[in-house]
Amino acid sequence: GAGVSQSPSNKVTEKGKDVELRCDPISGHTALYWYRQRLGQGLEFLIYFQGNSAPDKSGLPSDRFSAERTGESVSTLTIQRTQQEDSAVYLCASSTNTGELFFGEGSRLTVL
Amino acid sequence: ELKVEQNPLFLSMQEGKNYTIYCNYSTTSDRLYWYRQDPGKSLESLFVLLSNGAVKQEGRLMASLDTKARLSTLHITAAVHDLSATYFCAVALLTGANSKLTFGKGITLSVRP
Repeated sequence: GAGVSQSPSNKVTEKGKDVELRCDPISGHTALYWYRQRLGQGLEFLIYFQGNSAPDKSGLPSDRFSAERTGESVSTLTIQRTQQEDSAVYLCASSTNTGELFFGEGSRLTVL
Repeated sequence: ELKVEQNPLFLSMQEGKNYTIYCNYSTTSDRLYWYRQDPGKSLESLFVLLSNGAVKQEGRLMASLDTKARLSTLHITAAVHDLSATYFCAVALLTGANSKLTFGKGITLSVRP
């Protein structure tokens, strides 16, 4: 597609439920990144994919968080047993060979 | 661990005046990026600086990189209201085409008449 597409744009869930967030990167971009942005804060790195493998998943906050990527395209970030502190905007980005990241509009997650 | 610091965190600017904001980082890198974020929106790429001494200009904004000082500056000429936003710098941890970017906390600029 023309840009990075993320869905859902907004998700409200109850504490303890699982959520899946989807990212569709720019066609041909081999690298894909997930960041988290809490309200009024900077960007917190979660994980990045090169192709379908994840060389760096050091930012995943706990084992409740996981991500996968298939077909060197779509990626899914899964949060199990959500907690209130998981509330944030989850941003996906894909990159060119200059390393410049192009961001999607984000998925706003609210855990009640 | 790479640390990226931006200062000031908030800057109130007067229309028509010039300002400079700073981004410094703790580990050797030759790739630095500036992004803009409007409230409730995602990040928009402004500048990609890929070597020591790199200077890029777009409209009223000019960014430069000094890799020896581990410092980038973003200079604003004759500020206008449309420049009100949060500006993030980000530094690549590894040299190479695809590597993790570490972001600063962002600087929120507000332009007043």
